[in-house]
Amino acid sequence: AQRVTQPEKLLSVFKGAPVELKCNYSYSGSPELFWYVQYSRQRLQLLLRHISRESIKGFTADLNKGETSFHLKKPFAQEEDSAMYYCALSGPNAGNMLTFGGGTRLMVKP
Amino acid sequence: GAVVSQHPSWVICKSGTSVKIECRSLDFQATTMFWYRQFPKQSLMLMATSNEGSKATYEQGVEKDKFLINHASLTLSTLTVTSAHPEDSSFYICSARDLRGRGGNQPQHFGDGTRLSIL
Repeated sequence: AQRVTQPEKLLSVFKGAPVELKCNYSYSGSPELFWYVQYSRQRLQLLLRHISRESIKGFTADLNKGETSFHLKKPFAQEEDSAMYYCALSGPNAGNMLTFGGGTRLMVKP
Repeated sequence: GAVVSQHPSWVICKSGTSVKIECRSLDFQATTMFWYRQFPKQSLMLMATSNEGSKATYEQGVEKDKFLINHASLTLSTLTVTSAHPEDSSFYICSARDLRGRGGNQPQHFGDGTRLSIL
């Protein structure tokens, strides 16, 4: 069975501090990993996917197959980064459906 | 970019009423749409996968007769909560898979969600 775990429900940092939102997964095979973000009163939107290897809004995430992790990082947090972040997994074994982690609320204080 | 429209955004109705929620992909076609349920302060839980022209695939524990899904066209899927009761009150979110993307796992685009409140 596939599973996504985000151990922290809430992460609070000061503006300018580094941020790391943790995500661990379990999956038999080669999954695709995503990070979705939901700003206050807005819809869920894709932030980045591991297959793209890109940096969006200063965020990066590296897939570590040895540790089965896909942590989201940003070197200098901004107040506008405050939101709910969901790590999600998809794979051909499960009809390409998304399995979400529990979410981490990031609060960036001024 | 790809847009998914979900309607209505908020429904309040009496117990026993059936409620239909629409999910439309506005500028792309989607053979597959997904319906999620989100309780307060919790993550999204997949309810069912809606397949255009065929029956939906329901996740374990989701009642098919309670949550009727119809995917009659490449741009529209509907979720009908039949004879809704207070315990059905939740936030329902749909997403559509954009087949235009590259790679085996095309991204999903989400609607704004529908808040269902059953009195």
